[in-house]
Amino acid sequence: AQSVTQLDSHVSVSEGTPVLLRCNYSSSYSPSLFWYVQHPNKGLQLLLKYTSAATLVKGINGFEAEFKKSETSFHLTKPSAHMSDAAEYFCVAPARGYNKLIFGAGTRLAVHP
Amino acid sequence: GAVVSQHPSWVICKSGTSVKIECRSLDFQATTMFWYRQFPKQSLMLMATSNEGSKATYEQGVEKDKFLINHASLTLSTLTVTSAHPEDSSFYICSARVDKGHNEQFFGPGTRLTVL
Repeated sequence: AQSVTQLDSHVSVSEGTPVLLRCNYSSSYSPSLFWYVQHPNKGLQLLLKYTSAATLVKGINGFEAEFKKSETSFHLTKPSAHMSDAAEYFCVAPARGYNKLIFGAGTRLAVHP
Repeated sequence: GAVVSQHPSWVICKSGTSVKIECRSLDFQATTMFWYRQFPKQSLMLMATSNEGSKATYEQGVEKDKFLINHASLTLSTLTVTSAHPEDSSFYICSARVDKGHNEQFFGPGTRLTVL
């Protein structure tokens, strides 16, 4: 069965340091993959999406992610964290047939001064 | 583009009453809309999928008579929580998709329901 695994439930970084949020997927076919961000009591905002056009995907707010088929990973990175990046991040993949989305459990990013 | 709104953003109601939540796609037509429920510090749980003009498809364990979904037009879906109880208190989020060939969903801002 297809699944999305976010390896860290919580990540804490200092402002100005790099961010790494890890995501692994399992799929029998080449998937599309998304990263969404959710600020408290808000809906989900799309950060970036992979659709097989390029393995390195650049998103909004300085985030990027690299699709590595050999490692079945799609980790989210940012060179320098801002306080405003503190939020919940979800790695998401469409189910086969595209009728549903499969969500990772989420990673809560804390950014401290 | 691709904006989805929800109304209300928050609602407080008494136990036993019914609450309706609206989800609208503002600048595109959505053939499919989805309703999710999110408990504190948890991921989103898909409740049901609705296609315009047809009955919603509910996920296993979701009571269709409890959570009534109507998708009467290509820009509006509603979720009615009937005879709400405190355990129905949650954050409800809708999303919309243009068509099945596009797997990206656009999410609404969510509705916080509190049942007293």
